[in-house]
Amino acid sequence: EVVLTQSPATLSLSPGERATLSCRASQSVSSYLAWYQQKPGQAPRLLIFDASNRATGIPARFSGSGSGTDFTLTISSLEPEDFAVYYCHQRSNWPRTFGQGTKLEIK
Amino acid sequence: EVQLVESGGGLVKPGGSQRLSCATSGFIFSNYSMNWVRQAPGKGLEWVSSISRLSTYKYYEDSVKGRFTISRDNAKNSLYLEMNSLRAEDTAVYYCARDLEPEWVPNSYFEYWGQGILVTVSS
Repeated sequence: EVVLTQSPATLSLSPGERATLSCRASQSVSSYLAWYQQKPGQAPRLLIFDASNRATGIPARFSGSGSGTDFTLTISSLEPEDFAVYYCHQRSNWPRTFGQGTKLEIK
Repeated sequence: EVQLVESGGGLVKPGGSQRLSCATSGFIFSNYSMNWVRQAPGKGLEWVSSISRLSTYKYYEDSVKGRFTISRDNAKNSLYLEMNSLRAEDTAVYYCARDLEPEWVPNSYFEYWGQGILVTVSS
């Protein structure tokens, strides 16, 4: 099973700042990695797939990078609605796995 | 507009059974692989099961293998999850989710999600 480890567990930033979230895989997942955003009481929302492709309707301030075992989600300038929990997810191997999440909170 | 609506949750005793349904609309259901993902209270996301567009391929997370069965009815645009021998650790919100791309095998990026349905396993 591919274990995805996200860091940090919690990130405290202010609106307008840049956010950098990390996801490390226990083995190579090539570029088969996605990022999701989840707000309280809501279903997750697909942001990025194949490591760097934005899903439909996702603002350009969200970008993804990486391949192999190290991946990054960057939010260039935080908007108030961006404070949420973010999960990475791999589809390279069965079983599909998610990271434990990074909570992005307002400082 | 793509819509996925789960039903069938509720309180069930340990060892009991429950069947979840996911009614879909707004897309050609038979073109897409479908999935179940769950989230225990206050915890992260956990993939549970996936089924290919013609039910040829079915995949399960290890802890539910042999207890859960995923199925679909393309004529009814519906996805199902039959859950048997339920345990306390199966307590979670269960989401159905549609794959991003219409492919023959599950590509497992989850573009559309239902609102989720709570299953509570407790005596």
